[in-house]
Amino acid sequence: ILNVEQSPQSLHVQEGDSTNFTCSFPSSNFYALHWYRWETAKSPEALFVMTLNGDEKKKGRISATLNTKEGYSYLYIKGSQPEDSATYLCAFNNAGNMLTFGGGTRLMVKP
Amino acid sequence: EAGVAQSPRYKIIEKRQSVAFWCNPISGHATLYWYQQILGQGPKLLIQFQNNGVVDDSQLPKDRFSAERLKGVDSTLKIQPAKLEDSAVYLCASSTRRGYEKLFFGSGTQLSVL
Repeated sequence: ILNVEQSPQSLHVQEGDSTNFTCSFPSSNFYALHWYRWETAKSPEALFVMTLNGDEKKKGRISATLNTKEGYSYLYIKGSQPEDSATYLCAFNNAGNMLTFGGGTRLMVKP
Repeated sequence: EAGVAQSPRYKIIEKRQSVAFWCNPISGHATLYWYQQILGQGPKLLIQFQNNGVVDDSQLPKDRFSAERLKGVDSTLKIQPAKLEDSAVYLCASSTRRGYEKLFFGSGTQLSVL
């Protein structure tokens, strides 16, 4: 079983604050790193799938970076809004094509 | 494009009873996943299908859980008999190819075992 860890487990920020979370994964047999957003009472929704070391992806106010050599990815949210409140999940895909999820970071943005 | 369909949305049963969940993936998606998400933890893969063949079921408790994907389209996941620790959200997801492409998730089934 692969070890994928996310930190922090939960985070409370004020509207307008920028924030970031970390996903740590094994640095060997890397194939892809996924980020998902899971809002309460909805389905998890894909944000990014990253495959190359040094990759950076952006979607609106959300961006992510990837370091496969040291085994981590950062997710950044610029100017957090209440609608950003959700659980953010990362998932590591190894060369064996098994997708392993981290425990998630629960973000709450206060108006 | 229709999304991943799952039913039921909620289910409450007593321990030792049986329960079944159904999933219809996005049309054309060859890969189908069943995940179990216990409160406070990340989703755990129970079983992964490629078309109608099983790719990975190493974390499926086979003494009580079973799953099938007949004709490589929709799938059912069954628990028989249920235990208290099976209380969780059961998520179905599909993708076009294993690992490379993002997963599309259904709305999940919230199971409570009393």
